Amino acid sequence: AQKVTQAQTEISVVEKEDVTLDCVYETRDTTYYLFWYKQPPSGELVFLIRRNSFDEQNEISGRYSWNFQKSTSSFNFTITASQVVDSAVYFCALSGPPGMNSGYSTLTFGKGTMLLVSP
Amino acid sequence: DTGVSQDPRHKITKRGQNVTFRCDPISEHNRLYWYRQTLGQGPEFLTYFQNEAQLEKSRLLSDRFSAERPKGSFSTLEIQRTEQGDSAMYLCASSLPIQGFANEKLFFGSGTQLSVL
Repeated sequence: AQKVTQAQTEISVVEKEDVTLDCVYETRDTTYYLFWYKQPPSGELVFLIRRNSFDEQNEISGRYSWNFQKSTSSFNFTITASQVVDSAVYFCALSGPPGMNSGYSTLTFGKGTMLLVSP
Repeated sequence: DTGVSQDPRHKITKRGQNVTFRCDPISEHNRLYWYRQTLGQGPEFLTYFQNEAQLEKSRLLSDRFSAERPKGSFSTLEIQRTEQGDSAMYLCASSLPIQGFANEKLFFGSGTQLSVL
C-alpha cells in the first residue's frame, strides 16, 4: 500500500521568509512518481512538479526547490523568499508505475499543508 | 486556453435525492479523472476514463455512484440516493499522455461542492 505523510498541518510565515514543506512517503514499488500540487483558495489544484524514482537530482524553479532523498523516503519542498500569493494548501502525492491495461496509476495524496504567508 | 470546467460549483441537496455533476475537460485531453476531497484531506481517486472507456474505479465508489463519458469529451458523475457522508468537493481532472512519460500531470477543475442535508 502507498502512503504519503505531510506532518505539518499548517505553517505561518512572514513574507520573505524561507519555508520548507515536508513530505514522507511509503511504497513497495521500485518505480514510482512523486508530485507536488498547490491548491489556492479558488480550489483548483495546480501541478508544480513530477519526479520519478530514478531521478534523485534536486530541482530548482525560480523560488521553488525540491529535495528528493530516497534514503529517507522524503520529497521536501522549499519556497525561498515567500510571498503572500504563495498562501495555499500544498499537497504531496505518490503514484506507482502505470497499469498495463489502464496506462494509469492512482495518485495517493497526503493530507496537505496549509501555508499562510502574511505581509 | 480554457481549463477544466465543472458545473455546478455548489450543490445543496436533501438526503435521498439524486445529483449529477458535469465536467468538461481541456479539449484535446483524452484522459479524465474524478476525485473526491473532504475537509482537511487530500483528494481521493474515484474513477478514470481514457476516451469513453472507464478503465479504473476505486473501491470507494459505491454502487450509488456512476460515471459516464459518452463521447470521450465531457463526463458526468451521478450519485443516487445521496447520504450525508457524500458531502464533499468533487474534483475533475484531465490530462494528455505524452509519449515517454508515465503518470503525466493532471489539470484540475475548481470542483463541485456537494452538501447533503
